[in-house]
Amino acid sequence: QLQLQESGPGLVKPSETLSLTCTVSGGSISRSSYFWGWIRQPPGKGLEWIGNIFYSGRTYYNPSLKRRVTISVDTSKNQFSLRLTSVTAADTAVYFCARDHGSSCILDNWGQGTLVAVSS
Amino acid sequence: QSVLTQPPSVSAAPGQRVTISCSGSSSNIGNKNVAWYQQLPGTAPKLLIYDNNKRPSGIPDRFSGSKSGTSATLGITGLQTGDEADYYCGTWDSSLSAGVFGGGTKLTVL
Repeated sequence: QLQLQESGPGLVKPSETLSLTCTVSGGSISRSSYFWGWIRQPPGKGLEWIGNIFYSGRTYYNPSLKRRVTISVDTSKNQFSLRLTSVTAADTAVYFCARDHGSSCILDNWGQGTLVAVSS
Repeated sequence: QSVLTQPPSVSAAPGQRVTISCSGSSSNIGNKNVAWYQQLPGTAPKLLIYDNNKRPSGIPDRFSGSKSGTSATLGITGLQTGDEADYYCGTWDSSLSAGVFGGGTKLTVL
């Protein structure tokens, strides 16, 4: 059974870089035709699609975040990662990783989510 | 402001039927399939419907989806108190080359 688990700091200072990793178990990132994505949800608000990556490294990003976001993949560790630079309080959110079918926002397996607060 | 538009809230009595709408444009719903997600309080979203009207294994047939033009609809019949949750529609936007979600609809089962 496929499982995804987010990990990373729960607190980041303003202007610094948010870094999260998603570890995939129960299936191989590289032996599939899926994308692997990041979604976030500010407290009390809706879902925001951040971006996704194919195991080959092909990425798609939300245009509103593109200047600050990098998603990468490490197939040897069966992990993919999110970097968000120059964070502000508006980046405070629960960050989810998910398996993405890539064509129509079909996210069929999700991590439990991790809360990242931006505060000094 | 979300790319896809959903009503903020809907409500109905147990056992009744409710529909949730999702409105978009020709660059998203108009030429892409739609997915629906259920998010219970404090949990990750769960895929309910994909490709407009298909249900993943384990999702009861009380949940259904449809699409017409640039709008999609989620239907839930035989409402149960356990269906109280936030529901989101999502799809791909060809102009943005990005995934997009609706703002979410809170379902209250009275």
